[in-house]
Amino acid sequence: EVQLVESGGGLVQPGRSLKLSCLASGFTFSNYGMNWIRQAPGKGLEWVASISSSSSYIYYADTVKGRFTISRDNAKNTLYLQMTSLRSEDTALYYCARHRHTMGYWGQGVMVTVSS
Amino acid sequence: DVVMTQTPPSLSVAIGQSVSISCKSSQSLVHSDGKTYLNWLLQNPGQSPKRLIYQVSNLGSGVPDRFSGTGSEKDFTLKISRVEAEDLGVYHCVQATHVPLTFGSGTKLEIK
Repeated sequence: EVQLVESGGGLVQPGRSLKLSCLASGFTFSNYGMNWIRQAPGKGLEWVASISSSSSYIYYADTVKGRFTISRDNAKNTLYLQMTSLRSEDTALYYCARHRHTMGYWGQGVMVTVSS
Repeated sequence: DVVMTQTPPSLSVAIGQSVSISCKSSQSLVHSDGKTYLNWLLQNPGQSPKRLIYQVSNLGSGVPDRFSGTGSEKDFTLKISRVEAEDLGVYHCVQATHVPLTFGSGTKLEIK
């Protein structure tokens, strides 16, 4: 069974940093590109970043470019999102999803709240 | 950026009825590899999104065949035949052809 389990969220002050993780199981993680997608409270879905299976290709939304870094460790079956210079508008539920083009599986999400 | 215009914003339907949701993109979603990366997702209340349809018309694993997707280029439709109670939630279209990936604004389906 494919599982994606996000962790690392929490309450953080504006300007601080946080690192999210997404632990994958039930499939060969190194074969798939991955995404981070977020959803602000009561709002729609917003794509954040994508990374290819071997980390050769990385893409970011303009809203996070220069502040967030997506990475992966295929030996640990884990996807990461390093978030720096956090803003109130980054407050959202962050999901990891498998495969940039088809988004076949999603995690349950992890909440990030940026507030003083 | 590709703008995804999804309509209607909400629907209220009785069990057993059929409904359609439209998603129109501001530019063609045909990728350079020839595929069209238009997906449909369902987000049940309090749940994470679940993929229903990928590449316009391919049914996701375990998705009932009451769901179907059609369309091409810039105009896409999700049809739900014989709506069931478990179908309530927000439906999202998402284009994954162009970066940035972009989502429709969602269609909230309520059961009468």
